[in-house]
Amino acid sequence: EDKVVQSPLSLVVHEGDTVTLNCSYEVTNFRSLLWYKQEKKAPTFLFMLTSSGIEKKSGRLSSILDKKELFSILNITATQTGDSAVYLCALRMEYGNKLVFGAGTILRVKS
Amino acid sequence: ETGVTQSPTHLIKTRGQQVTLRCSSQSGHNTVSWYQQALGQGPQFIFQYYREEENGRGNFPPRFSGLQFPNYSSELNVNALELDDSALYLCASSSRLAGGHEQFFGPGTRLTVL
Repeated sequence: EDKVVQSPLSLVVHEGDTVTLNCSYEVTNFRSLLWYKQEKKAPTFLFMLTSSGIEKKSGRLSSILDKKELFSILNITATQTGDSAVYLCALRMEYGNKLVFGAGTILRVKS
Repeated sequence: ETGVTQSPTHLIKTRGQQVTLRCSSQSGHNTVSWYQQALGQGPQFIFQYYREEENGRGNFPPRFSGLQFPNYSSELNVNALELDDSALYLCASSSRLAGGHEQFFGPGTRLTVL
């Protein structure tokens, strides 16, 4: 069974802190790894990673994929209360457009 | 550009009943996927529709069925509801022409089964 594991399950930080969220997986036949932010209901797209070692960056968020060690990380620097959300990691599988999600990391940023 | 919309936003049903959830895909998107997200879990893939045909299915029983219409909108039907069907049901649309990598999610329908 395809498996995506995210860690930590939850964390609480103060504004201005830097956080690193982890996503490890056990499959190799996937097309891309995606990160989503889910605040209330609809997950919103953050990054798509297909190549190992190439960092994607958007403002204070960045992400990288390591296909050899089978993991990805999402970094958020200078956290703000608006970063409080569930962060989901997903694999887009080789065939079709199916996404396999991890359980998510709950991030709470305190002011 | 119109985003993905879903209806209703929430509903309550009792065990054994049937429910139909609806999704309108983002403008220009021809593929719709449905996901079930139980509390505290990540979304689980139910199935995907492309050109009005099912194009991949997750590990869900046949009482979960769907449709896609010529305008690419979609329905998810669940028969013989069980308590464990209580969840947030998410619809996501994408475009095969654009490579389909990015799936845009709707706000979801919160289903409670009593």
